[in-house]
Amino acid sequence: QPVLTQSSSASASLGSSVKLTCTLSSGHSTYIIAWHQQQPGKAPRYLMQVEGSGSYNKGSGVPGRFSGSRSGADRYLTISNLQSEDEADYYCETWDSNTRVFGGGTKLTVL
Amino acid sequence: EVQLLESGGGLVQPGGSLRLSCAASGFTFSSCAMSWVRQAPGKGLEWVSGVSATGRSTYYADSVKGRFTISRDNSKNTLFLQMNSLGAEDTAIYYCAKQIAGAATDFWGQGTLVTVSS
Repeated sequence: QPVLTQSSSASASLGSSVKLTCTLSSGHSTYIIAWHQQQPGKAPRYLMQVEGSGSYNKGSGVPGRFSGSRSGADRYLTISNLQSEDEADYYCETWDSNTRVFGGGTKLTVL
Repeated sequence: EVQLLESGGGLVQPGGSLRLSCAASGFTFSSCAMSWVRQAPGKGLEWVSGVSATGRSTYYADSVKGRFTISRDNSKNTLFLQMNSLGAEDTAIYYCAKQIAGAATDFWGQGTLVTVSS
């Protein structure tokens, strides 16, 4: 089954941009992934799905500041014009025929 | 508006059982695969179990296989998770989650807390 690897933490300044990475394990580089945001004390929220082609489809109400992309086995979540409410944990997710897998999550701090 | 409302969590002794429910509304429940995902205190997300739209196919993480049973009642728009032989390692918030046509999770419930302790 696939394995997703994320950096445990990231930080960026208010108003700047940050690019979070989710890496698919060997043999799974074409998999589609999803990004989820979890603000402190809240349930996760679906942000977008990033296809193997690099195209992405955002969930309802997700601000235009959020975008997705890919390079090889890496899938990216880019957040532009960082706001204080973007401080959260970000998880990637993938799936195959009979299982779902989450990355370990990246804790984003907005400075 | 899509809504997923979990219930049934609480404090249970080691070795005990609990049944979680998730009431769904705002979408065609019988057309969507569903999952349970948990989050232990201070930890990340862990997929627990999934079920196909019809309920005929079920899937489990190795950590719960043989102890947990997922099911659904499409006539009542409700998802269930029967949890048996609970241990301290099962202490977590349990989230009900909806999938897009067998793909990404696109909606989460608010979660229900399960605490296994004597």
